Amino acid sequence: EVQLVESGGGLLKPGGSLRLSCAASGISVTDAWMSWVRQAPGKGLEWVGRIKSESAGGKIEYAAPVKGRFTVSRDESKNTVFLQMNSLKIEDTAIYYCTREGKGFGNFDLWGQGTLVTVSS
Amino acid sequence: DIVLTQSPDSLAVSLGERATINCKSSQSVFYSSNNNNYLAWYQQKPGQPPKLLIYGASTRDSGVPDRFSGSGSGTDFALTISSLQAEDVAVYYCQQYYKSPPWTFGQGTKVEIK
Repeated sequence: EVQLVESGGGLLKPGGSLRLSCAASGISVTDAWMSWVRQAPGKGLEWVGRIKSESAGGKIEYAAPVKGRFTVSRDESKNTVFLQMNSLKIEDTAIYYCTREGKGFGNFDLWGQGTLVTVSS
Repeated sequence: DIVLTQSPDSLAVSLGERATINCKSSQSVFYSSNNNNYLAWYQQKPGQPPKLLIYGASTRDSGVPDRFSGSGSGTDFALTISSLQAEDVAVYYCQQYYKSPPWTFGQGTKVEIK
């Protein structure tokens, strides 16, 4: 079965760090373009960052609000994508979804169930 | 960044009736070199992740019922549900993926049963 399963969310204070994991099955995270998308409680969707496939050079790109604080990476041996989040802010509170870019790249044809990150003092 | 504005923010439609959601882009998402519009639509039901319905402005993803259709080009797009079913109650988002990130979404439109 093709699926993405996120983990690692939790409650932490501003300035803290957290690493989210996205374990893939049925697809190779090395061959796919993988993105993180977040959704603040009761709000809309916001693209966070992505890593291109290895064959496309593995370029990593970020949204402006997280650039310099968040890092997307992958581990081929674990078939897992990561989102390292540092210097967390209250406004980073959201459900974080791991997604696959498909159908011509840039749109998201496969989503995980999401993991909740709450940043609160 | 490209800004997408959806209208209306919410709508209530009777079962079996047509529902139309509009999405206007702050700049064209049409790529003339391949004649493609880089615009997608998603459906999100409560407590679930979004689901891709339409990509390339008008191509249904696999398994999406044919009552869902997408139209438009350039800066103006629409998602139409031809005959609303109870299971279509959800929030719908448009999203652009023109040329390079950041990818952006519309603010969402909530569809309910009248």
